[in-house]
Amino acid sequence: DAGVIQSPRHEVTEMGQEVTLRCKPISGHDYLFWYRQTMMRGLELLIYFNNNVPIDDSGMPEDRFSAKMPNASFSTLKIQPSEPRDSAVYFCASSLGLANTGELFFGEGSRLTVL
Amino acid sequence: GQNIDQPTEMTATEGAIVQINCTYQTSGFNGLFWYQQHAGEAPTFLSYNVLDGLEEKGRFSSFLSRSKGYSYLLLKELQMKDSASYLCAVKGGATNKLIFGTGTLLAVQP
Repeated sequence: DAGVIQSPRHEVTEMGQEVTLRCKPISGHDYLFWYRQTMMRGLELLIYFNNNVPIDDSGMPEDRFSAKMPNASFSTLKIQPSEPRDSAVYFCASSLGLANTGELFFGEGSRLTVL
Repeated sequence: GQNIDQPTEMTATEGAIVQINCTYQTSGFNGLFWYQQHAGEAPTFLSYNVLDGLEEKGRFSSFLSRSKGYSYLLLKELQMKDSASYLCAVKGGATNKLIFGTGTLLAVQP
């Protein structure tokens, strides 16, 4: 079984450009999470979805960030316009339910560098 | 809100035992997780505690005290490959979200 698939793995862009990160969760998983990881702040929850519906987006930094989940097998995280402080590794994770252990399965991450 | 504290770094010797502590504050506690993350890789699940006590899984054990808001991860018979960051995470709050601590970087020395 394929795990969580993220693309791109690496992206280098210039300040002001739009960035779109993509995620395909594990088939059958009904929860999808977007996290951001930096040395200073660790792993921060940005937003999570249940059955394609956003449940908690309180971690989204500001209006420049938006996330969508148009169907059960695809999600995007968009940054427009990007800024140097957005440089981080962005992880997507999925899980099967939260009633049980709700173990998260992480993708390999998208490393974003904004110059 | 939710708050998690764990030491930033620890060093231990191959073959020894190390304990990594985690304290947390949250409303609506619904479980505590430990994840392992090697440099440049994604976090991977190690353990889950929702009731007080010790959960053992091979060389790794995790303990939880809900009344104290405290957990620890115990690693026995340390191996060089155990050098990694260990993340404590708590599920809770109004939306039952999973929040991570900043991690403890463990260096295992020969």
